[in-house]
Amino acid sequence: DVKVTQSSRYLVKRTGEKVFLECVQDMDHENMFWYRQDPGLGLRLIYFSYDVKMKEKGDIPEGYSVSREKKERFSLILESASTNQTSMYLCASSLLWRGAYEQYFGPGTRLTVT
Amino acid sequence: SQQGEEDPQALSIQEGENATMNCSYKTSINNLQWYRQNSGRGLVHLILIRSNEREKHSGRLRVTLDTSKKSSSLLITASRAADTASYFCATVGEYENKLVFGAGTILRVKS
Repeated sequence: DVKVTQSSRYLVKRTGEKVFLECVQDMDHENMFWYRQDPGLGLRLIYFSYDVKMKEKGDIPEGYSVSREKKERFSLILESASTNQTSMYLCASSLLWRGAYEQYFGPGTRLTVT
Repeated sequence: SQQGEEDPQALSIQEGENATMNCSYKTSINNLQWYRQNSGRGLVHLILIRSNEREKHSGRLRVTLDTSKKSSSLLITASRAADTASYFCATVGEYENKLVFGAGTILRVKS
């Protein structure tokens, strides 16, 4: 079974802090994704990566950056956390691109910025 | 931007009944996928239907796709309390390279 793990289930940070969210997948997937999920808005894509050191902006990249130094690990960085970044963050991976295959999701990190 | 919109927003049924959820979308698609999310957890892929397919089955799940109406439906037969979850449709546009999710349908199955 594909396993996608995220470093924390719950995280509380202060406004202005730099926040790192880590995601690791164990199935050698090329593609990895970061989403945020807010009530009534579904999932919105922040960034995705289709190869090591490659990244592409999603729909809402402002205030976020990413890093992919190894194939299995994809990090989401909040350079200076703000209260409007309080949300559930979901990481996913998939085998091939062009959306042709299903995505496998981690359990999510619920981030609260105070 | 949301591509898929699910209907209804919430659905409450008795165990053993069938549950039907609908998804409408705006632009031409490559495929449409359905996902389930149990409370506060990550999403689990249920089924993928390609634009040239009209119906797919997986266990108690049946998905239909009508590209002329830009809509899809997910039918869960003989529902169980364990089916209680949020269900999301997600589309991949014909010339796009990402999944776009709807806001989801909350299903509650009462035992």
